[in-house]
Amino acid sequence: DIQMTQSPSSLSASVGDRVTITCRASQIIYNHLNWYQLKPGEAPKLLIYGASALHSGVPSRFTGSGSGIDFTLTITTLQPEDFATYFCQQTESVPHTFGQGTKLEI
Amino acid sequence: QVVLQQWGAGLLKPSETLSLTCAVYGGSFSDYYWSWIRRPPGKGLEWIAEINQSGRANYNPSLQSRVTISLGNHFSLKMTSVTAADTAVYYCVRGRVQFPYYYMDVWGKGTTVTVSS
Repeated sequence: DIQMTQSPSSLSASVGDRVTITCRASQIIYNHLNWYQLKPGEAPKLLIYGASALHSGVPSRFTGSGSGIDFTLTITTLQPEDFATYFCQQTESVPHTFGQGTKLEI
Repeated sequence: QVVLQQWGAGLLKPSETLSLTCAVYGGSFSDYYWSWIRRPPGKGLEWIAEINQSGRANYNPSLQSRVTISLGNHFSLKMTSVTAADTAVYYCVRGRVQFPYYYMDVWGKGTTVTVSS
């Protein structure tokens, strides 16, 4: 299985801040990397696919980058609704493993 | 807008069989993969299995011996011989192939399953 190491596991920030979350794969996954946002009681949401492609309807303050084994999710100008948990996922191979998650807190 | 509605028993005893079902509203099963993903309390997401309308299925090797997924009028998951370690929120998820990418673009709200004697 491909291991996905995500950091940090938690992050404190304020509205208006810029934050970066990183994800490292245990082997090359090219750009088969997706980012999701989870909030309690809600259906998780796809943010970024293919490492850098913004999913339809996702605000442009979310940016994904990287290729190979190292990836980042950057959120510029944090909004109150962005405080949530974020996960990376590789879809290069089965099983489609996830990072451990990053909880973004105020 | 596609909505996934899922249901199933929320409380099981050890050794029982978990059974969840997912219905798709506003869309069809064609041209997509359909996955089950779970999140144990305090832990990360774990991909369980996926299937497409052709019946092609992929399983997480760590769960494969206990899991069966199927696609008919609805999308279903069965997991045998559950233990407390199977306690989690289970999500029904649509997977989309947009070559060369594959991603999960529609998620159900999740069903909480607790395994306890």
